Amino acid sequence: EPEVTQTPSHQVTQMGQEVILRCVPISNHLYFYWYRQILGQKVEFLVSFYNNEISEKSEIFDDQFSVERPDGSNFTLKIRSTKLEDSAMYFCASSGEGAADTQYFGPGTRLTVL
Amino acid sequence: AQSVTQPDIHITVSEGASLELRCNYSYGATPYLFWYVQSPGQGLQLLLKYFSGDTLVQGIKGFEAEFKRSQSSFNLRKPSVHWSDAAEYFCAVGLGLSGTYKYIFGTGTRLKVLA
Repeated sequence: EPEVTQTPSHQVTQMGQEVILRCVPISNHLYFYWYRQILGQKVEFLVSFYNNEISEKSEIFDDQFSVERPDGSNFTLKIRSTKLEDSAMYFCASSGEGAADTQYFGPGTRLTVL
Repeated sequence: AQSVTQPDIHITVSEGASLELRCNYSYGATPYLFWYVQSPGQGLQLLLKYFSGDTLVQGIKGFEAEFKRSQSSFNLRKPSVHWSDAAEYFCAVGLGLSGTYKYIFGTGTRLKVLA
């Protein structure tokens, strides 16, 4: 069964450093998403992406964040200058041909900012 | 504003007992509704979803959920819990804005199963 994959599974970085989290969505999906979950808290929407542009972003997704689909398979989240409060589990999700299709989530990348 | 409430932060049940996890949502229209399960250190796995039609939906692992419009609820049930069901359960609402859908998650209910 197709699945969303994410790399790395765990990333440790120093405050102020740039990080890139990578995702490979399900191959025929067209809609892509990033969510995050701070330890012990609920999962929060960050951004949605369709047709090579951002469809919607949350208040969390400020100028330090960016997303890109650099090729036909990868979908990345970049945090330009990490802060301690960026420490969280980041989930990528994708959905199929319809925007309302079920989103399938990857296993997540745990980001730890020291 | 749209929101999802899971009133029970922790629930403990004995193996073999029945289970009901509560979920209430606040939204002007009928949203798309989901239940996901997250095992420790794992990602989010879809248990079931409601889009329209029959208000009682069946999911994987023997779970079911019932949509009740009058109560704005989408409670998850299982008749007989197994030790492997111990995990965190998230209810989510899918909201369509700007052509894509974002999910609003509840705070989760952590299920503990006693042997």
